[in-house]
Amino acid sequence: DVKVTQSSRYLVKRTGEKVFLECVQDMDHENMFWYRQDPGLGLRLIYFSYDVKMKEKGDIPEGYSVSREKKERFSLILESASTNQTSMYLCASSLRAGYNSPLHFGNGTRLTVT
Amino acid sequence: GNSVTQMEGPVTLSEEAFLTINCTYTATGYPSLFWYVQYPGEGLQLLLKATKADDKGSNKGFEATYRKETTSFHLEKGSVQVSDSAVYFCALSLTGSARQLTFGSGTQLTVLP
Repeated sequence: DVKVTQSSRYLVKRTGEKVFLECVQDMDHENMFWYRQDPGLGLRLIYFSYDVKMKEKGDIPEGYSVSREKKERFSLILESASTNQTSMYLCASSLRAGYNSPLHFGNGTRLTVT
Repeated sequence: GNSVTQMEGPVTLSEEAFLTINCTYTATGYPSLFWYVQYPGEGLQLLLKATKADDKGSNKGFEATYRKETTSFHLEKGSVQVSDSAVYFCALSLTGSARQLTFGSGTQLTVLP
């Protein structure tokens, strides 16, 4: 089974802090994704990466950056955390692009910014 | 633009009841359609999919039929169990690519014993 591991289940940070959310997958998947999940809004794509050091903006990239130095690891960075970034963050991976390659999700990191 | 509209929850049912969760979509082309499920404390996982009109996706007793004429992909199950309690997300992709998935807002289902 594919395993996508997010380093923290819960995080509490202060406004203005730099925050790192880490995600590791163990199946040599090409594509990795960061989503945020908010009630009533479903999932919204922040960034995705299709290869090491390659990234593309999703629907809501403002206030975020990402890093993919190794194929198995994809980090989401909040340069200066703000209260409106309080949310559930979900990492996902897929082997290839295409609908025959479904997304595999981690269990999520619930971030609270105070 | 592309969008997915799901019935608002929460939905509460008794065990063995029939389940329908409505999903309709707007898309500029012919999308692939998906249902994902999120069990408490877990990430999402793919439940079923359909890639063209009239296709029926099925898994774990759940079914959904891709209806192009009504732009719908309603999720059904004939007899729900307590273990089906979860949040269900409908999603579409125009290219079939996970990079262009558009999710609905999710529907919380609670099944009571």
